[in-house]
Amino acid sequence: GIQVEQSPPDLILQEGANSTLRCNFSDSVNNLQWFHQNPWGQLINLFYIPSGTKQNGRLSATTVATERYSLLYISSSQTTDSGVYFCAVERFPGEETSGSRLTFGEGTQLTVNP
Amino acid sequence: SQTIHQWPATLVQPVGSPLSLECTVEGTSNPNLYWYRQAAGRGLQLLFYSIGIDQISSEVPQNLSASRPQDRQFILSSKKLLLSDSGFYLCAWAGGLGAEQFFGPGTRLTVL
Repeated sequence: GIQVEQSPPDLILQEGANSTLRCNFSDSVNNLQWFHQNPWGQLINLFYIPSGTKQNGRLSATTVATERYSLLYISSSQTTDSGVYFCAVERFPGEETSGSRLTFGEGTQLTVNP
Repeated sequence: SQTIHQWPATLVQPVGSPLSLECTVEGTSNPNLYWYRQAAGRGLQLLFYSIGIDQISSEVPQNLSASRPQDRQFILSSKKLLLSDSGFYLCAWAGGLGAEQFFGPGTRLTVL
């Protein structure tokens, strides 16, 4: 199956700093999503971005599908940005009856200190 | 708008006891539904997915089973829990193949 690697595994920042999280995947994909898991376990959708660039406030993401990677940018980080950031990809199995299945990376644990 | 509910939020069960976790989706019809487990650490593992009523696919052999008795209801069950079943269980839905997936709040299960 498809492999998803995220880096760095852990990241500690001071409030106000910028950061870049990376997601590499081993095969072409039809879907890529970025999530933030907050301290209560809730997975919050950040971006649905199989290709191209999107921005939402202080966050932006870029996926270069031909080179099999995606980047998540966090600018002017805040303590509320702390948590685990997941990248997840989907590669169609070629059968419409098979449903869509996300494969997750292991995540980046982000800690933002005041 | 669509919402997804899971209950219970937390559960502590003895080894060998049965399990039933429920997930319901509102505001959409014929969604794809998913059960994931997140063990200690970070990775999420897909357990089951369903593209319709009574249509369940299992991703990994295990002590659990899933059922979809209604269009927007997905149930995760076990007849006898094992210690290794402890974890954080997340239900998700998507509008179809390749569509964005959205997750419920999760159930934290501890098997003692």
